[in-house]
Amino acid sequence: QQPVQSPQAVILREGEDAVINCSSSKALYSVHWYRQKHGEAPVFLMILLKGGEQKGHEKISASFNEKKQQSSLYLTASQLSYSGTYFCGTGNAGGTSYGKLTFGQGTILTVHP
Amino acid sequence: SAVISQKPSRDICQRGTSLTIQCQVDSQVTMMFWYRQQPGQSLTLIATANQGSEATYESGFVIDKFPISRPNLTFSTLTVSNMSPEDSSIYLCSVMAGPANTEAFFGQGTRLTVV
Repeated sequence: QQPVQSPQAVILREGEDAVINCSSSKALYSVHWYRQKHGEAPVFLMILLKGGEQKGHEKISASFNEKKQQSSLYLTASQLSYSGTYFCGTGNAGGTSYGKLTFGQGTILTVHP
Repeated sequence: SAVISQKPSRDICQRGTSLTIQCQVDSQVTMMFWYRQQPGQSLTLIATANQGSEATYESGFVIDKFPISRPNLTFSTLTVSNMSPEDSSIYLCSVMAGPANTEAFFGQGTRLTVV
């Protein structure tokens, strides 16, 4: 089941903040966040594991609410370089499913000067 | 981290023909993953390629259409067979690497156009 991302698109001015949400209809083990710029491969931002803590990476952080089966990505004081499509990917615990990711439909983030 | 070389980077093919995409990783990995990304869409997992065993395909994808080889721990190929315009997509290979092998790294992708 594909996770659902919201919003589908967001437009910001430099310095503004944004939140991207990712919800799943099934229990999550891990949530992975990626950013993809046009014509490029997705780039890993961070992973949140079941039972893990909220993580941060410079001005980008994320939370994982296991009970609500959702994760949120927080971008603060956005920069032009943040523009791109953000994907969340949900992962399974292990065994033959380890490493397989199911991606949300993506959120297009555009940052203007 | 992992560095993945994928080729070709793009191709335009005639319908009914086949294209083989190569993926080379700079380190040994147990599993390699093949994804498809249709224009403006999300990534969809096609199959998981394990060295020494047959690939595992996701629902909607079959071996006859997308045969996969995995001859060693650093290399894999995906063939798109008997192509039709609906196969026009970006195909990406991916591996898990990084601390605890929890980060997915992607090749640059192969942009396929079928005419």
